[in-house]
Amino acid sequence: GQQLNQSPQSMFIQEGEDVSMNCTSSSIFNTWLWYKQDPGEGPVLLIALYKAGELTSNGRLTAQFGITRKDSFLNISASIPSDVGIYFCAGQQISNFGNEKLTFGTGTRLTIIP
Amino acid sequence: ETGVTQTPRHLVMGMTNKKSLKCEQHLGHNAMYWYKQSAKKPLELMFVYNFKEQTENNSVPSRFSPECPNSSHLFLHLHTLQPEDSALYLCASSQDFGGETQYFGPGTRLLVL
Repeated sequence: GQQLNQSPQSMFIQEGEDVSMNCTSSSIFNTWLWYKQDPGEGPVLLIALYKAGELTSNGRLTAQFGITRKDSFLNISASIPSDVGIYFCAGQQISNFGNEKLTFGTGTRLTIIP
Repeated sequence: ETGVTQTPRHLVMGMTNKKSLKCEQHLGHNAMYWYKQSAKKPLELMFVYNFKEQTENNSVPSRFSPECPNSSHLFLHLHTLQPEDSALYLCASSQDFGGETQYFGPGTRLLVL
C-alpha cells in the first residue's frame, strides 16, 4: 500500500520554541490533513489542505500542501505545554475502487521540556 | 466534544471471549470507519461503511466482524482474538465517503490476554 514518511519521529523542545514537521510520499494526494492525538484519545483534525500550494493557518499552526502534491509540512509557533501529543499527517487519494482513501503517517511525538 | 463516541473506553478480554465495540456519531454523517492503531505503526483502516453498506474491507481477519445497523451506529464484534490484536480501536465518521475529512472518536483500548 501507499506509505507516508513522516519526520521527525519525535521532538524534544523547550516551551516557546517553534516546531516544524513534514510528510513526504512517492504518490500524489488530493488532500492533506493534519491531526493531533492526545494520550488516550482519538486524533483530532487540526488543518485540512485541498489545493497544491495552499498555505493555511489555524492559530499558531500553519500547514502547506506541497506544490508537487507529494508532501506537506506543519509548523507550530511559540509552543506551549498543551501542544504535547502525537501529530499525524494523512493524505487522501483515489483508490483502485474509485473511492477516496486516507493514508496516515507514522506520527511525530512532540514533548515540551519545561 | 468530537461528536463521535465510543464504548467501552477500555476492554480486557480472553482469547475465548466474545465482545463488541460500539461507536455512535452525532454529526449526521453518512460514512463510518473502523481503524486499528498499534504502537509505532500508522493507523490501519479496517472497514468502511457508506450509507450503511460496507464498501471496504482491508483484508481483516474474520474474527473481527463489523455491523452497521444505521448511519449513526457502528459495531465491531470480536471473537477468538489473539494477543497481537491488542491495540487502540478508533471509529471515525465523515459526511460521505469521498473527499471529506474524518472525525474520530476517543477509541477503545483493547487488551487481549
